[in-house]
Amino acid sequence: ILNVEQSPQSLHVQEGDSTNFTCSFPSSNFYALHWYRWETAKSPEALFVMTLNGDEKKKGRISATLNTKEGYSYLYIKGSQPEDSATYLCACNSGGSNYKLTFGKGTLLTVNP
Amino acid sequence: DVKVTQSSRYLVKRTGEKVFLECVQDMDHENMFWYRQDPGLGLRLIYFSYDVKMKEKGDIPEGYSVSREKKERFSLILESASTNQTSMYLCASSFSRGIYQPQHFGDGTRLSIL
Repeated sequence: ILNVEQSPQSLHVQEGDSTNFTCSFPSSNFYALHWYRWETAKSPEALFVMTLNGDEKKKGRISATLNTKEGYSYLYIKGSQPEDSATYLCACNSGGSNYKLTFGKGTLLTVNP
Repeated sequence: DVKVTQSSRYLVKRTGEKVFLECVQDMDHENMFWYRQDPGLGLRLIYFSYDVKMKEKGDIPEGYSVSREKKERFSLILESASTNQTSMYLCASSFSRGIYQPQHFGDGTRLSIL
């Protein structure tokens, strides 16, 4: 089983703060890295799929970078808002499969107004 | 928008019962998945299916089976429910065409086994 790790486990920030968290994965046999946002009482929502070393993706105030050589990805949120409060999950494609994912345990972000 | 619908948000069953969790997607996705989410453990894959009548075990298949008779529907079956199967269950689907497609999730079923 692929080992995908996320840190920190949880994070509290004030509204307006910028924040970031990390996803680590084995750099060998890397195929793709996915980020999801999971708000309470809703379904996980796909944010980004990243495949190339040095990839940067952006969606509004949220962006992500990928370093496949050292095996990590950062998710950044600029100017956090209370509606950004959610669990952020990363996942890697497992064993060369282009559809089976192994998930990290997530980072729970709470943005205080 | 892709819609993945799980039949129940909350379900309470008794130990030893046979339990069916149903999932339907409306985007003609080839791949469908069942996960469970437990505190501190993250999303863990139980079973997945890449085509009608095809299934593969995930990381924690023990105590579960699945059925995929039609492309849009994927059922998770707890053969004889036990208290350690109390959990949040999530269904997901994705295309297999193209490479590294994101998965689309249902809202989850919170299952309690008494």
